[in-house]
Amino acid sequence: EAQVTQNPRYLITVTGKKLTVTCSQNMNHEYMSWYRQDPGLGLRQIYYSMNVEVTDKGDVPEGYKVSRKEKRNFPLILESPSPNQTSLYFCASSWGQGVEQYFGPGTRLTVT
Amino acid sequence: GEDVEQSLFLSVREGDSSVINCTYTDSSSTYLYWYKQEPGAGLQLLTYIFSNMDMKQDQRLTVLLNKKDKHLSLRIADTQTGDSAIYFCADWGNGQNFVFGPGTRLSVLP
Repeated sequence: EAQVTQNPRYLITVTGKKLTVTCSQNMNHEYMSWYRQDPGLGLRQIYYSMNVEVTDKGDVPEGYKVSRKEKRNFPLILESPSPNQTSLYFCASSWGQGVEQYFGPGTRLTVT
Repeated sequence: GEDVEQSLFLSVREGDSSVINCTYTDSSSTYLYWYKQEPGAGLQLLTYIFSNMDMKQDQRLTVLLNKKDKHLSLRIADTQTGDSAIYFCADWGNGQNFVFGPGTRLSVLP
């Protein structure tokens, strides 16, 4: 089954404790992206990647890092999480830019 | 930067038509999309329209695009309780990323 998976689905952590949210897709898509969803703001793009070893900032990259060492994986790293990073995070992939994106189920992160 | 606006809430009665509206600022939009988010789930693509089209129909869904006014709408005919969800308008232009609206929460009343 074609899908985007994210782990963990739920995470509660404390300020400053480094964490990684994994994202994996099995569709051989080149384009992958991370979004955060906040009430009333819709989805805002954090980082995207057009291919292996090619990443770029989206609209709200501050406080986040990503890497793309393999085509299927695109982890999101929070080196020192803060409470304003409490949000619902989505990973998405597509075969190219500007075409249908397939979304993962989301990771709800709470930073206390 | 580019912006996409939507009203946040819409309530309709089962069997009525729903119309969800969206406005955008990107004059170079190539594609405009409608995504649906059900509770606890990610987003799923409902439909999309090329910027050189005025209308697209897909079963119960009708998308209208007024490029002059930068206005996009999604009409759902014969709305059912299963259509209750958040609907996002999204724009892809000459930039490198999608711009999403805040989402419209559609509530279908029995």
